[in-house]
Amino acid sequence: DQQVKQNSPSLSVQEGRISILNCDYTNSMFDYFLWYKKYPAEGPTFLISISSIKDKNEDGRFTVFLNKSAKHLSLHIVPSQPGDSAVYFCAASGRGGATNKLIFGTGTLLAVQP
Amino acid sequence: SAVISQKPSRDICQRGTSLTIQCQVDSQVTMMFWYRQQPGQSLTLIATANQGSEATYESGFVIDKFPISRPNLTFSTLTVSNMSPEDSSIYLCSVEGGGWNSGANVLTFGAGSRLTVL
Repeated sequence: DQQVKQNSPSLSVQEGRISILNCDYTNSMFDYFLWYKKYPAEGPTFLISISSIKDKNEDGRFTVFLNKSAKHLSLHIVPSQPGDSAVYFCAASGRGGATNKLIFGTGTLLAVQP
Repeated sequence: SAVISQKPSRDICQRGTSLTIQCQVDSQVTMMFWYRQQPGQSLTLIATANQGSEATYESGFVIDKFPISRPNLTFSTLTVSNMSPEDSSIYLCSVEGGGWNSGANVLTFGAGSRLTVL
């Protein structure tokens, strides 16, 4: 039972354009949602997060949107840069942001073309 | 945030053997987490390791297969025992301490250990 789903295994975008990565979840008890970025041969690094009481969180070029009614969140990167090329994981956790209960999606490989 | 070193970074192992992965953190941490990422799959939590107590395993993972040691607040090991090709995965060590963001406690990950079992 995949509670966090990233249905697009890959995405290709031109440099300067917007990248939109999507994530769906099934558990309405999730309170916190996080995005991690992973380069080859490196561990995932935290990118941005959002709590369920918000519908948007922005940090520079990165914005995460949360639609609780649809159980859907998305990560927008604008403008996209070649250095953004990586695997992006969506993750969710329950009440209190308990890290030991982080549920990850399968990841989306983003390729930003120069 | 903490800096995590994992060894080995990769290895090729024979079926039936065991391999121990080491995780060293540059600061003292209460909990350390071991994750697995099988090919094409998501990161899955194997167990949580607290210093001075037995590790807590998630559903589907058992101590006999994945024994964990946590001798102090900066170090942990995960052993993958009696390996089969299905154990071919990236194994990742992680700790809390990347900071709090929007109320969520952030995990910091090591670079991972890629194991291939023949």
